[in-house]
Amino acid sequence: AQSVSQHNHHVILSEAASLELGCNYSYGGTVNLFWYVQYPGQHLQLLLKYFSGDPLVKGIKGFEAEFIKSKFSFNLRKPSVQWSDTAEYFCAVTGYNFNKFYFGSGTKLNVKP
Amino acid sequence: GAGVSQSPSNKVTEKGKDVELRCDPISGHTALYWYRQSLGQGLEFLIYFQGNSAPDKSGLPSDRFSAERTGGSVSTLTIQRTQQEDSAVYLCASTDSHTEAFFGQGTRLTVV
Repeated sequence: AQSVSQHNHHVILSEAASLELGCNYSYGGTVNLFWYVQYPGQHLQLLLKYFSGDPLVKGIKGFEAEFIKSKFSFNLRKPSVQWSDTAEYFCAVTGYNFNKFYFGSGTKLNVKP
Repeated sequence: GAGVSQSPSNKVTEKGKDVELRCDPISGHTALYWYRQSLGQGLEFLIYFQGNSAPDKSGLPSDRFSAERTGGSVSTLTIQRTQQEDSAVYLCASTDSHTEAFFGQGTRLTVV
């Protein structure tokens, strides 16, 4: 079975700091990769996704992620965080046929104003 | 519908009672998932329905848990003889199998 690891469980940053959240997965085949965000009191929303093509993917609100196949990684980045980015972030992986979504354990981000 | 709808949004039940949680997926989505989100535990896969295929039940934690999907649309997750460890947020998601999963708001279940 696939697994997804998010090594940072809780990250605290000040506004304008740069962000990088790690995501590693275990699967040797073709994968589809996602980052979801859950703002306080809200449902999970898609931040960005990678299916194929350019391994550097840009999403909403200035987020981007880079797929590095050799490292089985899909790290999330943002050059300058805002207080409104305070949320929990989940990395997810599916196989080429989009069956089961495997999620990481999530990273709670607190941005201090 | 415009999004995935789950009901009820909150459910408090006594230990030992049965509960039913409902999910209305986005119209036309062939795949439907149930996940459980416990405090600090991330998202735990429970069950996956894809069209008319047999569901993938590999994530159901015990035989007290079951789910069905009628007519390829609405799904019901049933937990029998609830236990306190069943307390969690139960999330439903749907997809058309070619893109991302769309999530509902979840049902917060509290077993007292």
